Amino acid sequence: QKEVEQNSGPLSVPEGAIASLNCTYSDRGSQSFFWYRQYSGKSPELIMSIYSNGDKEDGRFTAQLNKASQYVSLLIRDSQPSDSATYLCAVPRGYGGATNKLIFGTGTLLAVQP
Amino acid sequence: GAVVSQHPSRVICKSGTSVKIECRSLDFQATTMFWYRQFPKQSLMLMATSNEGSKATYEQGVEKDKFLINHASLTLSTLTVTSAHPEDSSFYICSAIRTDTQYFGPGTRLTVL
Repeated sequence: QKEVEQNSGPLSVPEGAIASLNCTYSDRGSQSFFWYRQYSGKSPELIMSIYSNGDKEDGRFTAQLNKASQYVSLLIRDSQPSDSATYLCAVPRGYGGATNKLIFGTGTLLAVQP
Repeated sequence: GAVVSQHPSRVICKSGTSVKIECRSLDFQATTMFWYRQFPKQSLMLMATSNEGSKATYEQGVEKDKFLINHASLTLSTLTVTSAHPEDSSFYICSAIRTDTQYFGPGTRLTVL
C-alpha cells in the first residue's frame, strides 16, 4: 500500500462548478496534511494545510480531514480555468509537521473547462 | 514573493559532466533543506535531507556519491550531480522550512545529452 494515494485523473469540471479532490494515507499516526498546486513545468505551491478533523476554509478552497477514515480532501468552489493544474496531497513522514520530509501522492490533474 | 530560489533554472550538459544546483533561502535561515526529484508525469520523490553543518541523509536507493549535497551555510544548500547520465535528466526541486511550512524553490530542469 502506498503511503499517500490519489486518483491521477484527469478530473474535468466545468467552469463555476465545485471540484473535489481526494487523498488517502496509510500512517494512522499522521498529524498534518498539505495540499499543493503544481502548474505544468513549475514547482509546487502550498494551497492549504490542515491538522484537525473537520473542515478548514480559505477563500474558494476547503480542506476536509477525517482521521478515522485516513482521508483528506480538497474542494475548490467556483472553479476557474486558472485552477487547472495538478494537485498534490502531502503528508509528513513520521510524527510532526512540515519540518519533516514530505511524502507526496501522485497528484490529481484537474482540468476546468471554460 | 518567493522565499526559496534555485539556480540555474535550466541546464543542459553532456553525459559524464558534473552539474551543481544551488538552493537559497531568501531572508530567513534554514537549518534543514530537502531535495526532491520529479520525472515527467510523476510525483515528487524525496532524494535527501540537507542539514546545515552536517552530512546529508539520503533516501533509500539514492546514491550519495553521485548526488553530493553540501549545506555550508544557513541559507545555501547545493546539489551536485556527478558524472551525469541521460537517466539523471529530471526536474530537481529544493525546499526549505520557514515557520513550520515547507516552501519550494522554482526548480531546476536538468537535461543530460
